[in-house]
Amino acid sequence: AQTVTQSQPEMSVQEAETVTLSCTYDTSESDYYLFWYKQPPSRQMILVIRQEAYKQQNATENRFSVNFQKAAKSFSLKISDSQLGDAAMYFCAYRSFTSYDKVIFGPGTSLSVIP
Amino acid sequence: DGGITQSPKYLFRKEGQNVTLSCEQNLNHDAMYWYRQDPGQGLRLIYYSQIVNDFQKGDIAEGYSVSREKKESFPLTVTSAQKNPTAFYLCASSEAGDQETQYFGPGTRLLVL
Repeated sequence: AQTVTQSQPEMSVQEAETVTLSCTYDTSESDYYLFWYKQPPSRQMILVIRQEAYKQQNATENRFSVNFQKAAKSFSLKISDSQLGDAAMYFCAYRSFTSYDKVIFGPGTSLSVIP
Repeated sequence: DGGITQSPKYLFRKEGQNVTLSCEQNLNHDAMYWYRQDPGQGLRLIYYSQIVNDFQKGDIAEGYSVSREKKESFPLTVTSAQKNPTAFYLCASSEAGDQETQYFGPGTRLLVL
């Protein structure tokens, strides 16, 4: 069975600085999707970025980018020029190609942004 | 505006009572999902439905039931058999197929009195 691990329960970053959130996963499959979701205090889950495993190029979405290391099964999220609105829980998630309706979530990392 | 709505925002349940959480989407998505989130933990899948009148159990389906009579609606009933129902419940939807991403509603917090 696939698992997703986020080893940093809490992190903080100074406003305008850069922070990287870590995620590792375990799978025997070669094709899959990876996601980062943001959950602000409002509790709604918001998709930040997605990565297809067959793509070597790292996904980028404005100030958010990922470092996808397939062999190492690592999928970190980099937030550049951090803003106060980035403060939230961040969840790393995995979705299989074969069981495509199930998304497996990590335990989350709580990010604080210091003014 | 297209999106997913969940109601109520807060729900209180008495011991032995069944309660139903509403989830509606106007995104024309085929698939819908229910997740449970406990404090400090990630999401766990309760039930999902790929098409109208069909649904499958997720990882923690015991004590819950669902129906999918309409494409846009996927209500979740928390039955009295669910002994620890206090949690945050998130509904999501996605287009069918293996290329799509799930979009989430704002959630319902269920508390037991």
